[in-house]
Amino acid sequence: KQEVTQIPAALSVPEGENLVLNCSFTDSAIYNLQWFRQDPGKGLTSLLLIQSSQREQTSGRLNASLDKSSGRSTLYIAASQPGDSATYLCAVRRSSASKIIFGSGTRLSIRP
Amino acid sequence: NAGVTQTPKFQVLKTGQSMTLQCAQDMNHEYMSWYRQDPGMGLRLIHYSVGAGITDQGEVPNGYNVSRSTTEDFPLRLLSAAPSQTSVYFCASSWSDTTDTQYFGPGTRLTVL
Repeated sequence: KQEVTQIPAALSVPEGENLVLNCSFTDSAIYNLQWFRQDPGKGLTSLLLIQSSQREQTSGRLNASLDKSSGRSTLYIAASQPGDSATYLCAVRRSSASKIIFGSGTRLSIRP
Repeated sequence: NAGVTQTPKFQVLKTGQSMTLQCAQDMNHEYMSWYRQDPGMGLRLIHYSVGAGITDQGEVPNGYNVSRSTTEDFPLRLLSAAPSQTSVYFCASSWSDTTDTQYFGPGTRLTVL
């Protein structure tokens, strides 16, 4: 059974720092992995989608990497800003079914 | 495009009542799904649909029914509400069920007393 873990559950850093959020999964046979952002009281917004054949994806200050063999993905945020404060979730789509398994998220706070 | 819309935004029910959470998308997506989000547990899949007339169960389907009569709409029915169904419910859609970005609605916050 696929399990997705995100550690830490919460993170607070000062503005301007580069930071890395972690996601690990137990079954390396995946179709893709997606990173989402969720603001309080809102739905999820997709940030980056990495197919199983890809190693990384970039969008602006965000870079997501995927290492299937070790069951890990990281989301790198460069030059963090207070507007980056949100909960970040990773989600893995399994190879054997059309189901997405979500991690419980990392709540990120950027201090001005 | 409005994207994925959900109604209502908030709802309070008494135990045993029934209701329908509405979800609609205007992107002509084939794949739609319902999740519930509980504190510390991430999102869990309730039901999903790969096209009109086709639905299947997710991780936590008990107590919920779905139907997909059109491509645009995917309502979620609570048959007899229980306090354990207090949660935030999200509807999502995508072009395909395997490779494409999921688009989420704003959510419905449901409280069952």
